[in-house]
Amino acid sequence: KQEVTQIPAALSVPEGENLVLNCSFTDSAIYNLQWFRQDPGKGLTSLLLIQSSQREQTSGRLNASLDKSSGRSTLYIAASQPGDSATYLCAPSLEKLVFGTGTRLLVSP
Amino acid sequence: GAVVSQHPSWVICKSGTSVKIECRSLDFQATTMFWYRQFPKQSLMLMATSNEGSKATYEQGVEKDKFLINHASLTLSTLTVTSAHPEDSSFYICSAYKGGGLSHSPLHFGNGTRLTVT
Repeated sequence: KQEVTQIPAALSVPEGENLVLNCSFTDSAIYNLQWFRQDPGKGLTSLLLIQSSQREQTSGRLNASLDKSSGRSTLYIAASQPGDSATYLCAPSLEKLVFGTGTRLLVSP
Repeated sequence: GAVVSQHPSWVICKSGTSVKIECRSLDFQATTMFWYRQFPKQSLMLMATSNEGSKATYEQGVEKDKFLINHASLTLSTLTVTSAHPEDSSFYICSAYKGGGLSHSPLHFGNGTRLTVT
C-alpha cells in the first residue's frame, strides 16, 4: 500500500524566500507524480506533473524533481509571494492517486 | 479556466435526508471520474472510482449503499449521500483526467462541496 509523507507539515516564511517542500513515498512503481495546491475550502489546482521517466518539471517559479528509485520528490518555490500561501499536496500515481499529508505554507508580506 | 465543475459548493441538510452532488467535465469527455473526501486538516481520501456506463468501484471501508454513484453520461457523475448523518459532514471533491488517461495527464479537480449534516 502506497504511503506518502510530506515534510514539513507547516512552513511560515517572509516574502521573497526560496522554499523546498519534500515528499516521500513508499512504492516506487508509479506512472507519474503530481503536485497540487489547495486554497482553504477549495478544490485542488494541479501545479506540475512529472512522468516516471522524467527527473524534473518547471513552471514559472516552480520546479519539481523526482527520484523514483528513492521514492522522493521535491517542490522548489523561488522568490515566494504571499499569493503562494496555500496547502501543497503531492500525489504519486499508479492506478490511482494517493495523496500526501500536505505542507501548509504561509508567506508573509 | 475550470475544466471540472462541481455543484453545489456547499449544502446543509438534516440528519436522515439524502444529498446529491454533481460533477461535470466541462469541455471533455470523462469515462472515469474520482470522488474524494477530505476531513478538516487531513488529506484527500479516495472514496470511489466512477465509471461511465458501469458500476463504480469503491475503496475499502466505503459503504456503496450509503454513497451512491451514478455516471450516466461522459460528462456527468453524481454522488448521493443517502440517509446522511453528522459524521458524513465533510468536504467532497470530484476529479477527472483530461487527455490521455492517468499515465499521461494531470488530474483536474472540482472546487468541492462542503456538506454539513445537522
